[in-house]
Amino acid sequence: NAGVTQTPKFQVLKTGQSMTLQCAQDMNHNSMYWYRQDPGMGLRLIYYSASEGTTDKGEVPNGYNVSRLNKREFSLRLESAAPSQTSVYFCASSPLAGVSPNTDTQYFGPGTRLTVL
Amino acid sequence: AQSVAQPEDQVNVAEGNPLTVKCTYSVSGNPYLFWYVQYPNRGLQFLLKYITGDNLVKGSYGFEAEFNKSQTSFHLKKPSALVSDSALYFCAVRKDTPLVFGKGTRLSVIA
Repeated sequence: NAGVTQTPKFQVLKTGQSMTLQCAQDMNHNSMYWYRQDPGMGLRLIYYSASEGTTDKGEVPNGYNVSRLNKREFSLRLESAAPSQTSVYFCASSPLAGVSPNTDTQYFGPGTRLTVL
Repeated sequence: AQSVAQPEDQVNVAEGNPLTVKCTYSVSGNPYLFWYVQYPNRGLQFLLKYITGDNLVKGSYGFEAEFNKSQTSFHLKKPSALVSDSALYFCAVRKDTPLVFGKGTRLSVIA
């Protein structure tokens, strides 16, 4: 049981390049999330998927797109990378479906460190 | 909208001494509060959560947190700090949204 896995671990892009960050979970969780972590800012939600087949914007969605490929996988795409997207990206999952299960605990992957030059 | 504040960017404590990492929250209605820890170059690990009931919540690695509704606080505590507790700690709230995080507090335990 690997939990939440993310690939790649590190990535360097040039401004304007595109890439997709991959996330998979093997815990049969229904909900999945993408956050970015910046120094002094905590974690900010980019997008989330409250169940298979649905996606919703979070606090900072601009410049990103997501795909909930199936129940296990949730990818984050940068279509045209910008230096402001230099960050550490975390994927998370939680067991229940929907936005309202407030007691539901989120479990995090190890992160992807992205640098945009 | 809900939010959490962690008023201290950094907390230093000597090994063996008690530690407190502070968190205050703002949310309408009953809050659902969480603490996570992040070790260097790792993802976040769940420590504990408050849903309802007893105001003192016990979690992993000997940590506990005290919910205080009148002060809208959810401070993380440990009776005796270890050097291995040095990490970045995040308080978070969940109320009809995914988790909303504070900015984090870096804890340094000095031997």
